[in-house]
Amino acid sequence: AQKITQTQPGMFVQEKEAVTLDCTYDTSDQSYGLFWYKQPSSGEMIFLIYQGSYDEQNATEGRYSLNFQKARKSANLVISASQLGDSAMYFCAMREGRLGTGNQFYFGTGTSLTVIP
Amino acid sequence: DTGVSQNPRHKITKRGQNVTFRCDPISEHNRLYWYRQTLGQGPEFLTYFQNEAQLEKSRLLSDRFSAERPKGSFSTLEIQRTEQGDSAMYLCASSLRGGTREDNEQFFGPGTRLTVL
Repeated sequence: AQKITQTQPGMFVQEKEAVTLDCTYDTSDQSYGLFWYKQPSSGEMIFLIYQGSYDEQNATEGRYSLNFQKARKSANLVISASQLGDSAMYFCAMREGRLGTGNQFYFGTGTSLTVIP
Repeated sequence: DTGVSQNPRHKITKRGQNVTFRCDPISEHNRLYWYRQTLGQGPEFLTYFQNEAQLEKSRLLSDRFSAERPKGSFSTLEIQRTEQGDSAMYLCASSLRGGTREDNEQFFGPGTRLTVL
């Protein structure tokens, strides 16, 4: 079974609108971490946001927020007020296990976001 | 500090040759990760170091792959007897060990693109 599933290969959003990128995960660990990364066409991976499995509040970082629904095992990324520079590949990732105990990391296949002017 | 650096940026080799890549993490970071990314896919976790100790190694990692971090600073990834299927972008990332949310952020290098002919 896939550890991280991103079902949207490509998404389009109008500039200044909000967009939700879907991510579901599969783990039997109680302690895990969820991440979103952005990869522009230039290739570098840019960290966006992190959510720990025990965090009660949804993580937010500027225009990025993570809609964490633990029971459904989903960790959707919401980008508000989209900008042209948001056009990129977006990867959802998970760290299984407690930080520092020896971890496996899993990435999804990504969602390509295009912001339309 | 200018971030994570990787050398070389590009490597072309013939099948059967050995190759070695180097990663220099951000100086105060004690965690170092190697990933492999093929076109159209998310990064695939290979291995993880905390200081000089290799704490985790992907079950998918062939025994032709070996990584070291002898003094807990830079790391090398060696691939022996390269195969065409090894052609990919090899990414290195580093992070701090700690208990804060920020310590979960992995800073990625620009990658080494390997082409096996």
